[in-house]
Amino acid sequence: AQSVTQLDSQVPVFEEAPVELRCNYSSSVSVYLFWYVQYPNQGLQLLLKYLSGSTLVKGINGFEAEFNKSQTSFHLRKPSVHISDTAEYFCAVTLRGGGTSYGKLTFGQGTILTVHP
Amino acid sequence: DVKVTQSSRYLVKRTGEKVFLECVQDMDHENMFWYRQDPGLGLRLIYFSYDVKMKEKGDIPEGYSVSREKKERFSLILESASTNQTSMYLCASSPVIRDRGHYGYTFGSGTRLTVV
Repeated sequence: AQSVTQLDSQVPVFEEAPVELRCNYSSSVSVYLFWYVQYPNQGLQLLLKYLSGSTLVKGINGFEAEFNKSQTSFHLRKPSVHISDTAEYFCAVTLRGGGTSYGKLTFGQGTILTVHP
Repeated sequence: DVKVTQSSRYLVKRTGEKVFLECVQDMDHENMFWYRQDPGLGLRLIYFSYDVKMKEKGDIPEGYSVSREKKERFSLILESASTNQTSMYLCASSPVIRDRGHYGYTFGSGTRLTVV
C-alpha cells in the first residue's frame, strides 16, 4: 500500500518570499502524484499533478513541483508567495494503472501555509 | 462548470441519530468517494463506489455505510451517530482511469458535522 508524509504541519512565511512544502511518498510500484489546496471553509482544489514525462510540473497560481523518483519526493514550490496563498496544502498519491485501486488517492496530513505581510 | 454538490454545509445531530450526507455530481463520473478530514490526520477514505450499486470499504468504514442507487448520487450514512464522528466530510468524484492517466478528483465543498 502507498503512503504519503508531509514533513511540515505548518509553514509561516513573509509575503514575496519563496516557499517549499515537502512531500515524501512510499510505494513499491509506480505512482501518480498530486497537490491540492484547500482555502478556509472550502473543498479541495487541484493545484497540479504528475503523471509521466518531465519531472518538473507547473500548476495554477504560480506553483510548481518536482518529482524525484530516487528520493521518492514531490515537493511543492513557489518563488514568491502572496497573502492569498494562505491555505492548507495536501499531497496525494495513487497507483499507476488503476485496476483494483480504482484511482483511490491517499493523502498526506496537510501543511498549513500562512503568509504574513 | 463541473460540480460536486454536497447538500449541507453544516449539520448538528444528536448522539444515536441516523444521519444521511448526500453528494451529487453532474460530470457522469464512474467513481465517487467519501473522505473525512480531521486536523493533523489529513483526509481518510471511508468508502468509495466505482459503479452504481457497487461499493468498497476504505480505510475507516466502521460506523458508516453508503448507498449508490444512481450514477450521480452517493450517500454516506451514519447508522447511529457518535461524538467521535464529529468531523468535516468531503465527497469527491473522478472518471475511470484511462490510458492518459488519472484526472484527479473533483471535490465538493464539504459538510461539517457536529454530533452532540
